[in-house]
Amino acid sequence: DGGITQSPKYLFRKEGQNVTLSCEQNLNHDAMYWYRQDPGQGLRLIYYSQIVNDFQKGDIAEGYSVSREKKESFPLTVTSAQQNPTAFYLCASSGQGRFSEQFFGPGTRLTVL
Amino acid sequence: DAKTTQPNSMESNEEEPVHLPCNHSTISGTDYIHWYRQLPSQGPEYVIHGLTSNVNNRMASLAIAEDRKSSTLILHRATLRDAAVYYCAITSGTYKYIFGTGTRLKVLA
Repeated sequence: DGGITQSPKYLFRKEGQNVTLSCEQNLNHDAMYWYRQDPGQGLRLIYYSQIVNDFQKGDIAEGYSVSREKKESFPLTVTSAQQNPTAFYLCASSGQGRFSEQFFGPGTRLTVL
Repeated sequence: DAKTTQPNSMESNEEEPVHLPCNHSTISGTDYIHWYRQLPSQGPEYVIHGLTSNVNNRMASLAIAEDRKSSTLILHRATLRDAAVYYCAITSGTYKYIFGTGTRLKVLA
């Protein structure tokens, strides 16, 4: 089945540690995205990538980093510079064009202890 | 970037139609309007999208104002399974999506 997978589902981090969230898609989509969602809030764009080896900052990129070495993969690293990283993180992908539907993964819930 | 505004919450009785509004007054001429819905602790799922004309699919209808500054997602007969947070989104540029804060729909049995 085609889709997007995210791992792990739950992640606990100690303060001062970097953690990496995995996102893989087998939809052959060019574009991939990372969003952050806080309780009762909407989706805020962290980073997005239109093509391999290229990515752009979204609205809240500070304290986060990404890479796009393969079309299928777009990992997100939450660094120790991110002041309040506890949130629900969603990865998505889409085809080309403004009309393209975004497909979302199941999300990773990150908690800082 | 365009911005979208939605009411925080709405209620509907089961089996009745629901009209969920979205304001996007700063939309540009080539931006598409998308709607997604999200169940608790899950990723959002696509509902419908459109550019200028009203659109229908098996899940819902999308009514777009003539000036495109607002749109309405219509669920023709709400069921308990339609209870979710509904997000309106605008594509800004080829790949960037701007999501609103969402409307929490409560369906009453």
